[in-house]
Amino acid sequence: KNQVEQSPQSLIILEGKNCTLQCNYTVSPFSNLRWYKQDTGRGPVSLTIMTFSENTKSNGRYTATLDADTKQSSLHITASQLSDSASYICVVGRMDSSYKLIFGSGTRLLVRP
Amino acid sequence: NAGVTQTPKFQVLKTGQSMTLQCAQDMNHNSMYWYRQDPGMGLRLIYYSASEGTTDKGEVPNGYNVSRLNKREFSLRLESAAPSQTSVYFCASSVNRAGNQPQHFGDGTRLSIL
Repeated sequence: KNQVEQSPQSLIILEGKNCTLQCNYTVSPFSNLRWYKQDTGRGPVSLTIMTFSENTKSNGRYTATLDADTKQSSLHITASQLSDSASYICVVGRMDSSYKLIFGSGTRLLVRP
Repeated sequence: NAGVTQTPKFQVLKTGQSMTLQCAQDMNHNSMYWYRQDPGMGLRLIYYSASEGTTDKGEVPNGYNVSRLNKREFSLRLESAAPSQTSVYFCASSVNRAGNQPQHFGDGTRLSIL
């Protein structure tokens, strides 16, 4: 079954600290893995997109890694800011005629001053 | 640069009422999508339009209809609203459906069915 599991469900960190969010998937055939940031009351915004040949991709203080062999990805946030408080959604795309995207349920991050 | 614009932002309906959610994009994208987001669940695809003039069902199409009015606009209609359709609805667009293009989302319509 095509699934995307994210952990932890929620996380609280202090401003300035680093954190890592995890994503495990069972989607096959694999096409790409995406990370989105969703602020409260807003739509998701794309952070990174990686194909199977890419191990890592950065977007400012956000760095995503992908291990296609173990079907795991992580999103590392460096030197967190209050504005990083949001939900982070992992999305995996299928490589078939459906081009279907399977969404994880997200990790809710709260950065405290 | 507006991106993807959804109207209305909030709506309360009674069971059995109908309504249309509007979506427009100004990025000249070919593909457009409608999703619903429910607590504790990932976004689920309702319908999509790979290109102007085409529409197809997603994961959860029952109770909904769509119209791709032109390249810019893609509307979602609830013919007879049910409490199970209480959700946040997101419209998205991308250059094309295939490939590794990001989807750009609107800010959602929060719909409550009483």
